[in-house]
Amino acid sequence: GENVEQHPSTLSVQEGDSAVIKCTYSDSASNYFPWYKQELGKRPQLIIDIRSNVGEKKDQRIAVTLNKTAKHFSLHITETQPEDSAVYFCAATGIGTSYGKLTFGQGTILTVHP
Amino acid sequence: EAGVTQFPSHSVIEKGQTVTLRCDPISGHDNLYWYRRVMGKEIKFLLHFVKESKQDESGMPNNRFLAERTGGTYSTLKVQPAELEDSGVYFCASRGEFNTGELFFGEGSRLTVL
Repeated sequence: GENVEQHPSTLSVQEGDSAVIKCTYSDSASNYFPWYKQELGKRPQLIIDIRSNVGEKKDQRIAVTLNKTAKHFSLHITETQPEDSAVYFCAATGIGTSYGKLTFGQGTILTVHP
Repeated sequence: EAGVTQFPSHSVIEKGQTVTLRCDPISGHDNLYWYRRVMGKEIKFLLHFVKESKQDESGMPNNRFLAERTGGTYSTLKVQPAELEDSGVYFCASRGEFNTGELFFGEGSRLTVL
C-alpha cells in the first residue's frame, strides 16, 4: 500500500518568513495530493491540492510543487502570519474508487512567531 | 450549509466498556469515511461507505470495531469492548458523488480509554 513520509515534524519561523514542508510517497499510482491544515481543536481543512498532471499550483501565499519522478511534493507558505500556526498534513491517493482513501503524512506542527 | 458533525466531541470510558461515535455527513454526500489519529501520529483510514454500503473497510483494526450507515445518512462507529490502544481522535469525512470532490472533515471525536 501507499506510504507517505512528511518532514519536518515541527517547524518554527518568524512572521514574514517562508515555510516549506516536504512529503514523499511510495505508490507511483497515486495521482492526487491534498494538503490539510488543522488548527487546535478544529477540523482538518483542505488548503490546496495538486494532481499528477500538474507540476505546481499556487493560491495566494500558498503553493504546492510535485515531482512525480522523485515521488515527492512540497508545501510552500510565503510571508507567514501567526494565523498560519497549525498542524499541516500532506496526503496521497489515487483517482477512481480509491479516491477519498487518503494516506496521510505524520503531520507538521508549524509555529509562526510574531 | 451545515458541515460534517460528530458526536460526542470527547468520550472517556473504562477499558472493556462500549462506546458509539456518530457522524452526520453533509446532506446529499453519498461517500462517508472514518479516519483515526492515534497519539499524535498520522491520520489513518478506517473505512469508506458509499450510501449504506461498505466500499472499503480495509483499515478497520479488528472485529471490536463495527461501523454502520443505515439508510445511507448518518453513520455510527462502535467500539466494543474498548482497549487502551483505541484511544485517539476519530474523524469522519464526507464528499459528494463525483470522484474529484473535496473531502470535508468533521471536528473529530476524542476517545480516551482508561
